[in-house]
Parts: sequence; structure tokens; C-alpha cells
Amino acid sequence: EAGVAQSPRYKIIEKRQSVAFWCNPISGHATLYWYQQILGQGPKLLIQFQNNGVVDDSQLPKDRFSAERLKGVDSTLKIQPAKLEDSAVYLCASSLVWGLAGGQMDEQFFGPGTRLTVL
Amino acid sequence: AQSVSQHNHHVILSEAASLELGCNYSYGGTVNLFWYVQYPGQHLQLLLKYFSGDPLVKGIKGFEAEFIKSKFSFNLRKPSVQWSDTAEYFCAVNVYNQGGKLIFGQGTELSVKP
Repeated sequence: EAGVAQSPRYKIIEKRQSVAFWCNPISGHATLYWYQQILGQGPKLLIQFQNNGVVDDSQLPKDRFSAERLKGVDSTLKIQPAKLEDSAVYLCASSLVWGLAGGQMDEQFFGPGTRLTVL
Repeated sequence: AQSVSQHNHHVILSEAASLELGCNYSYGGTVNLFWYVQYPGQHLQLLLKYFSGDPLVKGIKGFEAEFIKSKFSFNLRKPSVQWSDTAEYFCAVNVYNQGGKLIFGQGTELSVKP
């Protein structure tokens, strides 16, 4: 089966510019995640969608970051305006569901990521 | 806040050596535990997971991990590494009934010399 698709793979912008990333999850996956991975650190969740509703956006810097998942399939993540500290790899992941019986969690499948450099 | 700590940032081994990567988390409640691997130029992929039951779990490619609840640890092991195991390894925790959020450690880069 096709994996999680992301574009672009690389993006270089100057600070204060805007940028958008796109993610297409695995077909049929209801849950979609955006993670930010800064160099030398592990990924950090920015936002979790269940279909087109937001489950968790507690770590999304809402003054500059926004995300949407219209129609519960594809998703876009936007940064406006970008800061130097936004330089990172932005990972999209998807899963069939997130909560299973007994508190277990469904596997998350990750895309290749978009590497953003802010100059 | 919950956190995950991986003790080793970079590990260098020769082929056939044994591997143990440490992972500790800070949360007193019930958790789901994971190890992910990222081979050079590839996506993050699941290596193994622990939800409940036998604290010794086996994953792909001969890896295993042991959950020790009293130590809040989930260490990854492999008895004999191969050059193809060269990759970055991430430990991750999901807190029961708090959404699907994975809390990752900072990662351990493993280099295996042929």
C-alpha cells in the first residue's frame, strides 16, 4: 500500500515569509498527526486530527502556525510568519484510529518529512 | 510534563557486538511504549511496541525490548548487530487515554563498523 506522502521535501525561506506543507495520509486512515523535529531532538507533536476535527493542538504555536484537514483526508500546515527557530523537519503521520480497546494505540505511519530552513 | 530520556546520543559498535540502548520515561501512570528506527534516507518506522502483558517484547530484525515498570525503563537490545542496523533509534511513550500523542526521546545514533 502507498505510504504517507508529503510535499515539498525541502523548502528554504527567509524569516518573516510564509510557508505551507502538504500531507496525504494512507488511504482510510482517520487520524493524522503533524510533528516538528528540530535537529538533534526527537519529533514533537504539533497537532492531531481525527477525521477533520482537532483532537490535540496544545503544542501548536497558534500565533504563527495553523493547520487544517478539510474533508478529513489531506492536510496542510502553514507557518506565517516564519522565524529562524522554525527550521526543522516537519513530519506527517497517520493511523487508522488512535485509540483501541484497552487503551492500546494504533501504529502511526510516518511520511518522509519536509525539511524547512529559515534564513 | 512527561518526558523521555535516551542515555546515549551516539553509539559505535563493531559487527556481532551486542547492543543495549537505554530509555527512561517520567510518568507514573499507564503508558504504551515504542521504539522507532530511522535508517539513512528513510522514514521513521516502528521497530516494536509494548502495550501490556509480557514485559519482554520482540520486534523486527531480531530486536527486543524489556519494560521494567519499577525503573520506568524500556531498553532496546539486540544480541548481535549487523552493519545494516546503522540508523537512528527513537524511544517513544504514549500516555493512556490522552490521545495519540507520541512523546519521543532525543534519539540514539547507532553506527556499526563492518
